[in-house]
Amino acid sequence: GQQLNQSPQSMFIQEGEDVSMNCTSSSIFNTWLWYKQDPGEGPVLLIALYKAGELTSNGRLTAQFGITRKDSFLNISASIPSDVGIYFCAGPTLTGANNLFFGTGTRLTVIP
Amino acid sequence: DVKVTQSSRYLVKRTGEKVFLECVQDMDHENMFWYRQDPGLGLRLIYFSYDVKMKEKGDIPEGYSVSREKKERFSLILESASTNQTSMYLCASIQGQVDYGYTFGSGTRLTVV
Repeated sequence: GQQLNQSPQSMFIQEGEDVSMNCTSSSIFNTWLWYKQDPGEGPVLLIALYKAGELTSNGRLTAQFGITRKDSFLNISASIPSDVGIYFCAGPTLTGANNLFFGTGTRLTVIP
Repeated sequence: DVKVTQSSRYLVKRTGEKVFLECVQDMDHENMFWYRQDPGLGLRLIYFSYDVKMKEKGDIPEGYSVSREKKERFSLILESASTNQTSMYLCASIQGQVDYGYTFGSGTRLTVV
């Protein structure tokens, strides 16, 4: 079945450090989406990627669509305490239905 | 901004009870979705709907049903709640293709005792 594996599963970092996380798929994706979920809230869309090799930034966040189309990366520069949360990658389901398939998530903790 | 509202943030129900989780969106979106979120498993799709009175099974529909009588409202029903349905439930909506990303509600944390 469809799988989206995110790594690492969790991270503990010092405030000010840079963060890297990735998402790998067993199948090719044409769209990659990155979401962040604050504690106690629903996920919010951070970045959308639509083309292999594409690099897109949103403030201190940068995401890349892997050239193999089977992976994507999210980087956060100079982390701050409000970066705490769970980060999910997602892409359109391979069944052809109009819905999203989500990764397992990376839980980020920032130590002040 | 699109607003997706889930009626309850926290619910505690007893095993065997019938449970209704309500979701309302205010932007006339065609497509609505219910996911459950569990640690280490990410978000898994339970049911979705692309129009009034239409519903499609997601990846884990067993033990759940849904209702969409009005375009803005999508209800998730647990016919007979069980402890393994203790989870965070997230509702989402979108107009058109999902490539542009859903808008999610704030979630309902359900505990079945």
